[in-house]
Amino acid sequence: GEDVEQSLFLSVREGDSSVINCTYTDSSSTYLYWYKQEPGAGLQLLTYIFSNMDMKQDQRLTVLLNKKDKHLSLRIADTQTGDSAIYFCAESMDTGRRALTFGSGTRLQVQP
Amino acid sequence: EAGVAQSPRYKIIEKRQSVAFWCNPISGHATLYWYQQILGQGPKLLIQFQNNGVVDDSQLPKDRFSAERLKGVDSTLKIQPAKLEDSAVYLCASSGWEAKNIQYFGAGTRLSVL
Repeated sequence: GEDVEQSLFLSVREGDSSVINCTYTDSSSTYLYWYKQEPGAGLQLLTYIFSNMDMKQDQRLTVLLNKKDKHLSLRIADTQTGDSAIYFCAESMDTGRRALTFGSGTRLQVQP
Repeated sequence: EAGVAQSPRYKIIEKRQSVAFWCNPISGHATLYWYQQILGQGPKLLIQFQNNGVVDDSQLPKDRFSAERLKGVDSTLKIQPAKLEDSAVYLCASSGWEAKNIQYFGAGTRLSVL
């Protein structure tokens, strides 16, 4: 069955890079996503990557996908205190049942 | 463009009572999802609608949960009767027809069952 796993917690200093990792099991996943959730708020899409890509860069965000190992990572350059939040990795297919399967989230704490 | 609207934001009820949540998706989005997010976990799908038809409700506890999207726009999710373990945030999301399946989430309804 589908399963998405993430480490629970990451602490970095302001200005450093953060790397959040995710593994998934469903080889038929077509898209993989990173969402951000701040306290009391809904989920905000940060970026996504199509399964036939291995890297995508969007300003301070870099997504790396290793399809062979089913490993996804999100790198945030120059991490700021405003980046403190929970980050969710998610996967879906592009046809039929398109619901997202989420990991449990990684809490990123940025220390000044 | 207005986002996904949900109400109420918070609800406190006692066990065995009933409760209903409302969602208004982004205009023109055919697909609507309800997710349940228990504290400390990622969201899990309850039900997926395509227009006013159900695509997937395999994870919906149908003995107590029901959902409808009668005119293919707004949706309501109901719990009757509520249990303590239903305490969670209920998130509504919608997506359009684009292949990359970008889902936009509402702020959610936080339910506490006492």
